[in-house]
Amino acid sequence: EIVMTQTPLSLSVVPGQPASISCKSSQSLFYSDGKTYLYWYLQRPGQPPQLLIREGSMRISGVPDRFSGSGSGTDFTLKISRVEAEDVGTYYCMHSIHIKEFGQGTKVEL
Amino acid sequence: QVQLVQSGAEVKKPGASVKVSCKASGYTFSEYYMHWVRQAPGQGLEWMGWINPNTGVTDYAQKFQGRVTMTRDTSISTAYMELNRLTSDDTAVYYCTRETAGDYWGQGTLVTVSS
Repeated sequence: EIVMTQTPLSLSVVPGQPASISCKSSQSLFYSDGKTYLYWYLQRPGQPPQLLIREGSMRISGVPDRFSGSGSGTDFTLKISRVEAEDVGTYYCMHSIHIKEFGQGTKVEL
Repeated sequence: QVQLVQSGAEVKKPGASVKVSCKASGYTFSEYYMHWVRQAPGQGLEWMGWINPNTGVTDYAQKFQGRVTMTRDTSISTAYMELNRLTSDDTAVYYCTRETAGDYWGQGTLVTVSS
């Protein structure tokens, strides 16, 4: 089992200001195929999760470029360069090394 | 466009079984694994397992082994998740989601277990 630990668990943001969420895994997410199996999702209230970032840093098509993912090995970060009101929700990191496991979630509020 | 459309909400009694469907459209169903993830009220996301629609091979999270069965019907591009011996702890929204990255998700199916 790989434990995924997100910090903070809640985050109060100001529109126009940056925000950052950390995700640490108990084992490296760098796999033998050269890929890093770390993903970021945003779940808005009442909605299914939406994929934002795959393989640590690859922003999904259609996701605003204010979202960026970085990190390697066991330490990862999701950054929002300038928060907008629509960014409110719960953010999850997830790994997919053999199985999938999610972080606890970070609730982002204005 | 890719769509995953799930079956409607269910209310079950403890000890019963539930079968949730997920109909895929907009892509070749057999080319992408289908995963199932659940979310209890006010809680986080929990992965349940996957099915390879091409072969029918499955892999389940250890927590659900022996109690969950994932199947598919390729003729109608539909995946199914059946969970047996339900308890109140199984009350949750169940999602199907495409491939490892979870690039597309169904709308969710609320399963309520109550006596």
